[in-house]
Amino acid sequence: AQSVAQPEDQVNVAEGNPLTVKCTYSVSGNPYLFWYVQYPNRGLQFLLKYITGDNLVKGSYGFEAEFNKSQTSFHLKKPSALVSDSALYFCASPSGSARQLTFGSGTQLTVLP
Amino acid sequence: GAGVSQTPSNKVTEKGKYVELRCDPISGHTALYWYRQSLGQGPEFLIYFQGTGAADDSGLPNDRFFAVRPEGSVSTLKIQRTERGDSAVYLCASSFPQLTGELFFGEGSRLTVL
Repeated sequence: AQSVAQPEDQVNVAEGNPLTVKCTYSVSGNPYLFWYVQYPNRGLQFLLKYITGDNLVKGSYGFEAEFNKSQTSFHLKKPSALVSDSALYFCASPSGSARQLTFGSGTQLTVLP
Repeated sequence: GAGVSQTPSNKVTEKGKYVELRCDPISGHTALYWYRQSLGQGPEFLIYFQGTGAADDSGLPNDRFFAVRPEGSVSTLKIQRTERGDSAVYLCASSFPQLTGELFFGEGSRLTVL
């Protein structure tokens, strides 16, 4: 079984600065990890996933995530934040039948102009 | 359309009433999922269909909740005897089943039970 935790409810960052949204996981076996984004009044959108392979995963909209086994983390990152990146971000992992995605509680990212 | 379509987008009902929420997945996606998202929380899994059959319904909270997908495409989530605690956004998603975790979500149906 896998679970994820997002320790920060809110992250504020200035436009142009790097951003990090944190996610930690607990897992038995090899972790499958995902990031989704929810823009206001829009559906959840898949950003990226880690299954196996390179620890640095690149995804949509310039986002990337770093899998760190020793720290059991899968933090979402972007080198230069945009105001349009302001949204709710969810980390997720499969559980149960492996078709169930278990989502974290979400982190509200606000990029200030 | 090209995306997952959910209707209605908003539904207000009274406690004890019956509600149906509809999901039209992306064409060709054989996997379909229902999730529920309460305010300030992440989505919670309800049920997963592969084709016409419910492959995993372990997330349905009780027997007031039921979902069908009779022809392997459109799905309907049915809630009987609604309670105020059922108020949430109900999300539908679809995918190719071999792409683990890469779900395409609709915009959701916001249910308010008065």
